[in-house]
Amino acid sequence: AQTVTQSQPEMSVQEAETVTLSCTYDTSENNYYLFWYKQPPSRQMILVIRQEAYKQQNATENRFSVNFQKAAKSFSLKISDSQLGDTAMYFCAFMRAGNMLTFGGGTRLMVKP
Amino acid sequence: DTGVSQDPRHKITKRGQNVTFRCDPISEHNRLYWYRQTLGQGPEFLTYFQNEAQLEKSRLLSDRFSAERPKGSFSTLEIQRTEQGDSAMYLCASSLTQSDTQYFGPGTRLTVL
Repeated sequence: AQTVTQSQPEMSVQEAETVTLSCTYDTSENNYYLFWYKQPPSRQMILVIRQEAYKQQNATENRFSVNFQKAAKSFSLKISDSQLGDTAMYFCAFMRAGNMLTFGGGTRLMVKP
Repeated sequence: DTGVSQDPRHKITKRGQNVTFRCDPISEHNRLYWYRQTLGQGPEFLTYFQNEAQLEKSRLLSDRFSAERPKGSFSTLEIQRTEQGDSAMYLCASSLTQSDTQYFGPGTRLTVL
């Protein structure tokens, strides 16, 4: 079974600064996908970024980028130029091809003005 | 594209009652997933469908839980004889194919008194 671990329950960052959220996972699979989802307070889960394990290049989406280390089974999320609207719970998730998502416990991020 | 919708958004019920939730996936999405999320935790997988076929149901929490997707479009999740421990957010997600990103609905928050 796959497991996903987010070791930082809570983090805070000043507006406009950069923050990195950590995620590690455990799997024996070679073909899989990794995701970061954002869940603002009392709002629905939305996709931040997606990474295919077979791709060596790290995914980027505007201010969001990942550092994917396949051998180390590490998948961190970097948020640059943090904005107040980035305040949310962030979940790292693993998906084996054709299967369900396995989520980590989440990191609560607070962006301070 | 109107996104994944769920109804109702909130449900308060008394212990022992049956409840049913509905999920409408994004149009033409073949895969539909149900997850449960308790406060402060990551979502936990319950079951999923490929069109009308339920491909995995061993993760349903007990035999009080059942799900259907009769015509391969919307899905329902039923909980019979609710217990206080069933109080949680029930999330629905859909994807176009087995390898595509899952998009989440706003969830149904269940409170069992």
